Amino acid sequence: SQQGEEDPQALSIQEGENATMNCSYKTSINNLQWYRQNSGRGLVHLILIRSNEREKHSGRLRVTLDTSKKSSSLLITASRAADTASYFCATDARSGGGADGLTFGKGTHLIIQP
Amino acid sequence: DAGITQSPRHKVTETGTPVTLRCHQTENHRYMYWYRQDPGHGLRLIHYSYGVKDTDKGEVSDGYSVSRSKTEDFLLTLESATSSQTSVYFCAITGLITDTQYFGPGTRLTVL
Repeated sequence: SQQGEEDPQALSIQEGENATMNCSYKTSINNLQWYRQNSGRGLVHLILIRSNEREKHSGRLRVTLDTSKKSSSLLITASRAADTASYFCATDARSGGGADGLTFGKGTHLIIQP
Repeated sequence: DAGITQSPRHKVTETGTPVTLRCHQTENHRYMYWYRQDPGHGLRLIHYSYGVKDTDKGEVSDGYSVSRSKTEDFLLTLESATSSQTSVYFCAITGLITDTQYFGPGTRLTVL
């Protein structure tokens, strides 16, 4: 069963604008991660936020986590054409941590229009 | 791609034939994973390994088996391929931070 669900499924914005995508999950977690996938490629890890953290930054990325609502958001500021990709949230099973695999959402497909 | 290769990168096979996909890592990491990616489903865990000869099932393990005889190699076998196993298969390993996974380039498998 899918643990994380991203919203929206697709997002198209102009270059330079900010992009926000959301993820909801169902069970308790140790941490939540965001990955990017360019067309035809493998997934690339972007950022990890632990369950005791509320916000984390990495370059133009900002991630928030609300464990009471079981939701997370990924904000990409000042978008660029190279940000065009699919973005996935992934959670671990609290009992085993990430060692026994991650559960991915279905992804948000982001298109940055020049 | 963090020292992970997958072979073959593309394969077309017929229903009922056995297929083996290989994942090779040069990072000497303990944990390795096989996922499949299908439209509308995201990535789903098939099997994973936590050491040589130590493996366990994931969410969608039916019809698949795995083996790990060396730290660097993790094999995924489709015992008798079916059209429902047409998918893109990704191998992953964990980095120094156990929960962060690094993915291979994927294998696109088509079962006719």
